[in-house]
Amino acid sequence: DQQVKQNSPSLSVQEGRISILNCDYTNSMFDYFLWYKKYPAEGPTFLISISSIKDKNEDGRFTVFLNKSAKHLSLHIVPSQPGDSAVYFCAATYNQGGKLIFGQGTELSVKP
Amino acid sequence: KAGVTQTPRYLIKTRGQQVTLSCSPISGHRSVSWYQQTPGQGLQFLFEYFSETQRNKGNFPGRFSGRQFSNSRSEMNVSTLELGDSALYLCASSLSWGLAGETQYFGPGTRLLVL
Repeated sequence: DQQVKQNSPSLSVQEGRISILNCDYTNSMFDYFLWYKKYPAEGPTFLISISSIKDKNEDGRFTVFLNKSAKHLSLHIVPSQPGDSAVYFCAATYNQGGKLIFGQGTELSVKP
Repeated sequence: KAGVTQTPRYLIKTRGQQVTLSCSPISGHRSVSWYQQTPGQGLQFLFEYFSETQRNKGNFPGRFSGRQFSNSRSEMNVSTLELGDSALYLCASSLSWGLAGETQYFGPGTRLLVL
């Protein structure tokens, strides 16, 4: 049972445009969500997070939106840059625990 | 501040052997979690340690074990290696445990190949 799903395995965007990465979850107990960026053979790098008591969080070019009623979150990257090309994972946790449950990842390709 | 460090970075073992991987968390971080990444299963939680005690455990067989030392450094051990244990093993650290909104920061991983 996959509790966190990223239904798009890949996404291609032109440099300067907006990248929107989506994530759906099934467990209503999740109370903290995170996005990580990962290059091959490296560990995930933390990007941005959001608590379930908020619906939006911004950090520079990155914004995460949370829609609890739809059990959906999205990561917006504006403007997209070629250096953003990587695999993006959303993750969720609950009950103040350290167990992160990850989606399968979306590979973003930003073309110059 | 130095990030999470993992040693070794690469490892080749044969079936039936055992392996020990090491993780040093970010200075001041007291919680360490371990994850396994494979192409088929993605990133899966193995276990989490805080104050030298296992606080949470994923759905892995007993061949996978870990421990944490008083300086927060952690090791994980896999005994009787199987081909399917070939994976990238990632360690993550966070400041504490049991607090809402704790962010985990990952190390570069140890790539294990079982032949």
